[in-house]
Amino acid sequence: EPEVTQTPSHQVTQMGQEVILRCVPISNHLYFYWYRQILGQKVEFLVSFYNNEISEKSEIFDDQFSVERPDGSNFTLKIRSTKLEDSAMYFCASSDGTRPYEQYFGPGTRLTVT
Amino acid sequence: KQEVTQIPAALSVPEGENLVLNCSFTDSAIYNLQWFRQDPGKGLTSLLLIQSSQREQTSGRLNASLDKSSGRSTLYIAASQPGDSATYLCAAHNYGQNFVFGPGTRLSVLP
Repeated sequence: EPEVTQTPSHQVTQMGQEVILRCVPISNHLYFYWYRQILGQKVEFLVSFYNNEISEKSEIFDDQFSVERPDGSNFTLKIRSTKLEDSAMYFCASSDGTRPYEQYFGPGTRLTVT
Repeated sequence: KQEVTQIPAALSVPEGENLVLNCSFTDSAIYNLQWFRQDPGKGLTSLLLIQSSQREQTSGRLNASLDKSSGRSTLYIAASQPGDSATYLCAAHNYGQNFVFGPGTRLSVLP
């Protein structure tokens, strides 16, 4: 069964460094999403992406964040200058955009900022 | 703005019991509602998705119901097993928006 994959599974970085989290959505899907979950808190929506542009973003998704689909298979989330509070699990999801609009989630990347 | 809550926050039951987890949402204009399972430190496993036009969905020992008018969904787990121990999340998908997750119910099934 097709699945969303994410790399790396765990990333440790120092405050102020740039990180890129990678996702490979399901191949025929057109809609892509990033969510995050700070330890012990709710899963929160960050951004949705369709047709090579951001379709919606939350208040969390500020200028430090960017997303890109650099080729036909990858979808990336870049954090320009990481802060301690960026430490969280980051989930990628994808959807084919048809009813019932189900989103398929990847296993997540745990980001630890020290 | 959609708000999703879940009750109880934690639940501990002996093996074999039937149990109900509750999810409430404030905006009934939803595409669908999805239930997930999350094991500690792990990703999200989709359990059931109920479309806005449906009232319930079943998969094995799991049954999820949806009452849009009252803004509620329940997840019923029959004959619980220790392997069911996990956090259960519900998420509402609104028109023009994205998934809004509840805080989860942490379930412990004791052998």
